Amino acid sequence: DAGVTQTPRHEVAEKGQTIILKCEPVSGHNDLFWYRQTKIQGLELLSYFRSKSLMEDGGAFKDRFKAEMLNSSFSTLKIQPTEPKDSAVYLCASSPGINQDTQYFGPGTRLLVL
Amino acid sequence: GDSVTQTEGQVTVSESKSLIINCTYSATSIAYPNLFWYVRYPGEGLQLLLKVITAGQKGSSRGFEATYNKETTSFHLQKASVQESDSAVYYCALSDDSGYNKLTFGKGTVLLVSP
Repeated sequence: DAGVTQTPRHEVAEKGQTIILKCEPVSGHNDLFWYRQTKIQGLELLSYFRSKSLMEDGGAFKDRFKAEMLNSSFSTLKIQPTEPKDSAVYLCASSPGINQDTQYFGPGTRLLVL
Repeated sequence: GDSVTQTEGQVTVSESKSLIINCTYSATSIAYPNLFWYVRYPGEGLQLLLKVITAGQKGSSRGFEATYNKETTSFHLQKASVQESDSAVYYCALSDDSGYNKLTFGKGTVLLVSP
């Protein structure tokens, strides 16, 4: 079975640019999560979807971060405009659904904003 | 809100020695959350190491163990004899078992096993 896939694996952006990160969850999973991972803060939840509906949109990240899930097999995370402090690893994870809370993670996208 | 606190920074252990990584939690939304340890090996994605959903029970995987202690609200990760291949980043996490599968993670502990 294919796991969670994320593209690109690495991204370099100039300050002020718009970048779009992509994620394909495990087939059949109903829950999808976006996280930001840094050494200082660890894993911070950005967005959480259940059956394509947005369940949680991390408050501190609302203004420049937008996650979408137009179909059950694909999600995007847009950062607009990027700032140097956005440099981090962005992780996507999926989970089967109700009463199945183990999350399966993708390899992550490493973003560097200059 | 819920929170998880674990041993910070890096832990260095010599091969074949014992290991403990501390984890304590605070769950305001539920009395008995589900508890997890996740691990990220070099070059790999974050993956589940073990999970315990019942207070008082122990989970184990790959020689690691963690016991769910509701009295001390702790879920320490232990291994009797570590190997170089255990070098990784370990994350303690909880979910509130509400039917929503959101996890709250600790900040991670880097384990370096020296030969």
